[in-house]
Amino acid sequence: NAGVMQNPRHLVRRRGQEARLRCSPMKGHSHVYWYRQLPEEGLKFMVYLQKENIIDESGMPKERFSAEFPKEGPSILRIQQVVRGDSAAYFCASQSTWSSGSDTQYFGPGTRLTVL
Amino acid sequence: TQLLEQSPQFLSIQEGENLTVYCNSSSVFSSLQWYRQEPGEGPVLLVTVVTGGEVKKLKRLTFQFGDARKDSSLHITAAQPGDTGLYLCAGAAESSNTGKLIFGQGTTLQVKP
Repeated sequence: NAGVMQNPRHLVRRRGQEARLRCSPMKGHSHVYWYRQLPEEGLKFMVYLQKENIIDESGMPKERFSAEFPKEGPSILRIQQVVRGDSAAYFCASQSTWSSGSDTQYFGPGTRLTVL
Repeated sequence: TQLLEQSPQFLSIQEGENLTVYCNSSSVFSSLQWYRQEPGEGPVLLVTVVTGGEVKKLKRLTFQFGDARKDSSLHITAAQPGDTGLYLCAGAAESSNTGKLIFGQGTTLQVKP
């Protein structure tokens, strides 16, 4: 998966707890995308960040979900007060830069979130 | 809503057969990517196609981007059991200014020895 790191690989939470998912992009990549793969469904875009900026969060639920990509450190996807419907695989993808026609994204191994 | 329709969803064939997977949309894409995903892992990039009409080959896999950049196909020649897996197409819509990918539903391929 071309060097994109995600942790933890598996996360179990009880309803109402918080989940924090981390993503370290490939070296030299400053663009991070988060996608969610619900059981039996395809991957869906959630949010796109560059260092210290959220560029597009149109795919992210309005409540309980937030994302950041600080100047130093990994990108974090945070889910507050998790519910069973949040159980899914969450993937991070990184890209060195973006311009139309140059859109290759490299994916991490994902975090499998299970909400009990 | 921009959609990428991928077909077939499931394919079970014998070793040595050929197959083609299709991705179609009414939207124009600035690029289209094909990934393969193993259970419990993230999608692994196979190829990116950018130019309308482009054809790329990766050993027994041939990828084509439609002239109008609205569709793509993946053709596998002489499939082997090692080709078994989930194949995903994903495109960045030309109208998008962020590069976010729209994914097809995936094709689960099983190649029987």
